[in-house]
Amino acid sequence: AQSVAQPEDQVNVAEGNPLTVKCTYSVSGNPYLFWYVQYPNRGLQFLLKYITGDNLVKGSYGFEAEFNKSQTSFHLKKPSALVSDSALYFCAVRDRDDKIIFGKGTRLHILP
Amino acid sequence: AAGVIQSPRHLIKEKRETATLKCYPIPRHDTVYWYQQGPGQDPQFLISFYEKMQSDKGSIPDRFSAQQFSDYHSELNMSSLELGDSALYFCASSFGRISYNEQFFGPGTRLTVL
Repeated sequence: AQSVAQPEDQVNVAEGNPLTVKCTYSVSGNPYLFWYVQYPNRGLQFLLKYITGDNLVKGSYGFEAEFNKSQTSFHLKKPSALVSDSALYFCAVRDRDDKIIFGKGTRLHILP
Repeated sequence: AAGVIQSPRHLIKEKRETATLKCYPIPRHDTVYWYQQGPGQDPQFLISFYEKMQSDKGSIPDRFSAQQFSDYHSELNMSSLELGDSALYFCASSFGRISYNEQFFGPGTRLTVL
């Protein structure tokens, strides 16, 4: 079965510092990996996806993610954090039946 | 650009009542997915439809049913509501059953069962 794991419930980063939100995956076959962000009282917004090709994927709001096959990881990164990046981030995998399986989520706090 | 529309945005019901949630996908999207997100939880897949046919089923209780109509909008019908049904219900849409197409999520319907 496809699954993703987000080992950190919460990540705190000072504004202006680089941020990383970790995600590891377990899939059979080719992984279709996604990152979504959820702001308070808002829906899920798509950030980026990895399907194939370059291991470094660039997405919305300056975020990027690095696909690492040997480490089965798909960490979300941003070079310089903004206070407005504070939100709940979900790593996700798309399984063969097309439904999305979400990780437990990581709450990102950017400290002014 | 048009997004996924869900109605109502908020719904309060009492135990044993029924509720109907509606989802209007992005124009030309033919696939609809329903997810349930309990308080402090990750979204869990409930059910999906492709071209008006049920395509996959997840952890959807037997008390719930759903369908997709000819205009591709979908409705989630919930009966005999229980306190544990209180959650945020998301609808997502995509074009075609292609795994690498991203799903676009609506704002959600927050259901509170008293």
